[in-house]
Amino acid sequence: QTVVTQEPSLTVSPGGTVTLTCASSTGAVTTGYYASWLQQKPGQAPRALIYATSDRHSWTPARFSGSLLGGNAALTLSDVQPEDEADYYCLVFHGGVVVFGGGTKLTVL
Amino acid sequence: EVQLVESGGGLVKPGGSLRLSCAASGFTFSSYSMNWVRQAPGKGLEWVSSISSSSSYIYYADSVKGRFTISRDNAKNSLYLQMNSLRAEDTAVYYCARDLSGQVDYWGQGTLVIVSS
Repeated sequence: QTVVTQEPSLTVSPGGTVTLTCASSTGAVTTGYYASWLQQKPGQAPRALIYATSDRHSWTPARFSGSLLGGNAALTLSDVQPEDEADYYCLVFHGGVVVFGGGTKLTVL
Repeated sequence: EVQLVESGGGLVKPGGSLRLSCAASGFTFSSYSMNWVRQAPGKGLEWVSSISSSSSYIYYADSVKGRFTISRDNAKNSLYLQMNSLRAEDTAVYYCARDLSGQVDYWGQGTLVIVSS
């Protein structure tokens, strides 16, 4: 059973840059995993940000970018805004099954 | 405008059953795979089940296999989740989400299921 691991929490200053990562227990995350990233704020449904590793949805601000980094999927936030404070989840597709990471709580301070 | 609206949640006793529905509008429902995802109170997201556009491919998380059944009615633009033998650990907000070849984009607002005696 695939386990996907994310940093439990990260803190970034407004205007700064931060990278969140998503690692798979089965080995390197590749483009074939179709890694996606979601943002969730308290009391709200998740909102999709990135799909297929690095593609932004039409509503995703350009300061959010997805990539593969050192065998992991990564989400980089540049010029972080106070409203970016949220939980971020990655998900990967593996053998027909969807696996979510445990989420990263991003604090903007 | 794409809309996904879940319904059918509520309070149910352990061992009981519940059927969730997800009404889709604003897109060609029959062209998309669909997923159920849940979130226990204060916890992260957990994928529950997925179904392909024509119901040819169905997958379940190990935690619900044998107890939950996903289905869809493309004529009614609706997705369903039949949940049987419910346990306390099934307590969660259940979301439906649209999926096109690994692009999970739109999510509903969720419906709360509480399993308690």
